[in-house]
Amino acid sequence: AQSVTQLDSHVSVSEGTPVLLRCNYSSSYSPSLFWYVQHPNKGLQLLLKYTSAATLVKGINGFEAEFKKSETSFHLTKPSAHMSDAAEYFCVVSATNDYKLSFGAGTTVTVRA
Amino acid sequence: DTGVSQDPRHKITKRGQNVTFRCDPISEHNRLYWYRQTLGQGPEFLTYFQNEAQLEKSRLLSDRFSAERPKGSFSTLEIQRTEQGDSAMYLCASSLGDPQPQHFGDGTRLSIL
Repeated sequence: AQSVTQLDSHVSVSEGTPVLLRCNYSSSYSPSLFWYVQHPNKGLQLLLKYTSAATLVKGINGFEAEFKKSETSFHLTKPSAHMSDAAEYFCVVSATNDYKLSFGAGTTVTVRA
Repeated sequence: DTGVSQDPRHKITKRGQNVTFRCDPISEHNRLYWYRQTLGQGPEFLTYFQNEAQLEKSRLLSDRFSAERPKGSFSTLEIQRTEQGDSAMYLCASSLGDPQPQHFGDGTRLSIL
């Protein structure tokens, strides 16, 4: 079985400062890991994915995440937050060759001007 | 790429009524998924189609729920005799198959009066 724990339900940052969203995962198999973003009343947009290639994954809009097997973590970072980054972020896991995505509870990001 | 399209965006109905939602996936995608998202939570897997075959249904999908994908293109999700607990956002996603990521629509928000 697969599951993820997002360690922060809410993160608040100032515009132009770094963003860190923390995620730990549990998986019986080699996992595929994803970060999705959801803006209010919208669907989910894929930010980036890890599928057993490079451990540092670069995504869209300046986001990146590092897969650390020893720590079972997949934290999301961005060096400089923008107002448009205010949204809900979900860490997601699936087992390799499994179609079902297991979502974390989400982290709400607010960006202060 | 026109994206995944869902209709309607918002449905308000009285308890006990039947409702039907439609999802049009990205045209070349053979896999289609339904998820349910309640307020403040991450999406939860409901069911999955490969082409026209429904290959798995979650325990969350009670007998009042039925999903179809008759020609392997669009899909419908019907809820019969709606209950208050059915109020949620219903999300559809499609993909080309593992390891390709799932692409989500903007969802249908169901409100039960």
